[in-house]
Amino acid sequence: DAMVIQNPRYQVTQFGKPVTLSCSQTLNHNVMYWYQQKSSQAPKLLFHYYDKDFNNEADTPDNFQSRRPNTSFCFLDIRSPGLGDAAMYLCATSRGQRGGQETQYFGPGTRLLVL
Amino acid sequence: GDSVTQMEGPVTLSEEAFLTINCTYTATGYPSLFWYVQYPGEGLQLLLKATKADDKGSNKGFEATYRKETTSFHLEKGSVQVSDSAVYFCALDSGSARQLTFGSGTQLTVLP
Repeated sequence: DAMVIQNPRYQVTQFGKPVTLSCSQTLNHNVMYWYQQKSSQAPKLLFHYYDKDFNNEADTPDNFQSRRPNTSFCFLDIRSPGLGDAAMYLCATSRGQRGGQETQYFGPGTRLLVL
Repeated sequence: GDSVTQMEGPVTLSEEAFLTINCTYTATGYPSLFWYVQYPGEGLQLLLKATKADDKGSNKGFEATYRKETTSFHLEKGSVQVSDSAVYFCALDSGSARQLTFGSGTQLTVLP
């Protein structure tokens, strides 16, 4: 089945220690998104890639970076995690129709714990 | 800007009860509307969607009708099961910024 895969499902890191979360997709979608979701809240968009074009949300902290080396993979790098960065991180994809309204397909998420 | 207002939770029902979760929206133009479901510890799963006025989305016994005149997309199910216990998010995409606008989510608990 075509899908969005996130690894690992659970990640523990130390305060200030860089961490990378990964996402891959077999849907061959042009757009990949990263969301942060804190407990009992709606997901908050951090940034997205349209193909190789990176689009950062205005209020995303500089501590969060992303890389998309190819169509299938996208990474979220947190350079210096703080306690406030503990959350569920969700990856999503969409086809990338120009000007269109799209359905986003989500992965299972990675829960990040910062000690 | 775009916004989605969802019924406050949590909602607790007995098995086989009727479910309604209200969702209204504000958006420019004619957005696409979605319901996503999130089971504990999991990501979001698309439950159903509608892309134009009067469309009805349906899946797994859940239904929602796109009502442009009332700017609503209420989620309904005739008979809920314990396995329906989850958080439900209403969302829209107006196509203006490649971004989903989410409601705040409604926690549903179904008791046996």
